[in-house]
Amino acid sequence: DTEVTQTPKHLVMGMTNKKSLKCEQHMGHRAMYWYKQKAKKPPELMFVYSYEKLSINESVPSRFSPECPNSSLLNLHLHALQPEDSALYLCASSQGTLPSYEQYFGPGTRLTVT
Amino acid sequence: GEDVEQSLFLSVREGDSSVINCTYTDSSSTYLYWYKQEPGAGLQLLTYIFSNMDMKQDQRLTVLLNKKDKHLSLRIADTQTGDSAIYFCAELGLDGGSQGNLIFGKGTKLSVKP
Repeated sequence: DTEVTQTPKHLVMGMTNKKSLKCEQHMGHRAMYWYKQKAKKPPELMFVYSYEKLSINESVPSRFSPECPNSSLLNLHLHALQPEDSALYLCASSQGTLPSYEQYFGPGTRLTVT
Repeated sequence: GEDVEQSLFLSVREGDSSVINCTYTDSSSTYLYWYKQEPGAGLQLLTYIFSNMDMKQDQRLTVLLNKKDKHLSLRIADTQTGDSAIYFCAELGLDGGSQGNLIFGKGTKLSVKP
């Protein structure tokens, strides 16, 4: 199983809503990532978890709150988002954070904030 | 800081070879990657090259690395309509010890005409 799954595929939420994005992998990877990709732009790193601990937070606003409940799951909790947060949110995983470990990406959740 | 540059568009005829070019600035990059993204989908790792290599071939894909000029290219032989996608070059940023931070180029949109 070399797949990273993400749910939901699409999400529309208002600025006062609270929602969560989910990511799952069963490859035994110990590093997991959240990226944000705006239309026609490259992905930008948001968070890195290594061995279920947050190791990188790329100055992301607190309205995005990551959580790694176990080594297979990664969540992104959303609260009080702004319309400019509308984007494709990509999850990725790798065996570790060393450069030799390639990252495998999920299909993404397309988020629209109204 | 790190920066990765790519041309934005490439159009080829089916059966021709495609060459997608990329330049990067971080001379300490150890791994360089090519990802493919089809419309509305996540990123698929195509291939990667370690910085002590000049060339890597994988079926229809050939990666060339000129470390002196910090230039990376991806050649797709016998390009097919199914190869139409956006291709991202990426380097692993090791800024301040941040591991796992992929720095992406803006992506090259490859259009394959029948």
